[in-house]
Amino acid sequence: EPEVTQTPSHQVTQMGQEVILRCVPISNHLYFYWYRQILGQKVEFLVSFYNNEISEKSEIFDDQFSVERPDGSNFTLKIRSTKLEDSAMYFCASSARPSREQYFGPGTRLTVT
Amino acid sequence: AQSVTQLDSQVPVFEEAPVELRCNYSSSVSVYLFWYVQYPNQGLQLLLKYLSGSTLVKGINGFEAEFNKSQTSFHLRKPSVHISDTAEYFCAVSYYNQGGKLIFGQGTELSVKP
Repeated sequence: EPEVTQTPSHQVTQMGQEVILRCVPISNHLYFYWYRQILGQKVEFLVSFYNNEISEKSEIFDDQFSVERPDGSNFTLKIRSTKLEDSAMYFCASSARPSREQYFGPGTRLTVT
Repeated sequence: AQSVTQLDSQVPVFEEAPVELRCNYSSSVSVYLFWYVQYPNQGLQLLLKYLSGSTLVKGINGFEAEFNKSQTSFHLRKPSVHISDTAEYFCAVSYYNQGGKLIFGQGTELSVKP
């Protein structure tokens, strides 16, 4: 069964450093998303991406964040200068159609020290 | 603002007992509704979905949910739980023609005891 994959599973970085989180969505899906979950809190939407551009972004997704689909399979989230409060689990998701069910990857746990 | 409320943060229950996890959403427009399950140290797995049609939807692992438009609710039920159902359950909603983002509830931690 096709699935969304994410790498790395765990990333530790120092405050101020850049990180890139990688995702491989399900191959025939066209809509891609990033969410984050701070420990003990609910899952929050960050950004949606379709047709090589951002469809929607939340207020969390400020200028420090960017997304890219560098090739036909990868979908990346970059945080330019990490802050302590960026520590969270980051989930990638994809769907075949907008507003329909999304399939999530296993997540990347980002720890900023 | 659009929101999803899961009324119970923790639900302890004995094995083989029935369970209901409650979810309410705020909306006056068409919605799609989902339940996801998160096992410890794992990602989110789709449990079931309501897109249209019958208001009673069945999902994996014996779970079902009922969409109630008048009460803006989408409660999750299982007639008899197993130890393996112990997990965090998230209700989520997306709004028709609004880009597809999911809005999640706070989650309900289901703890099944022997």
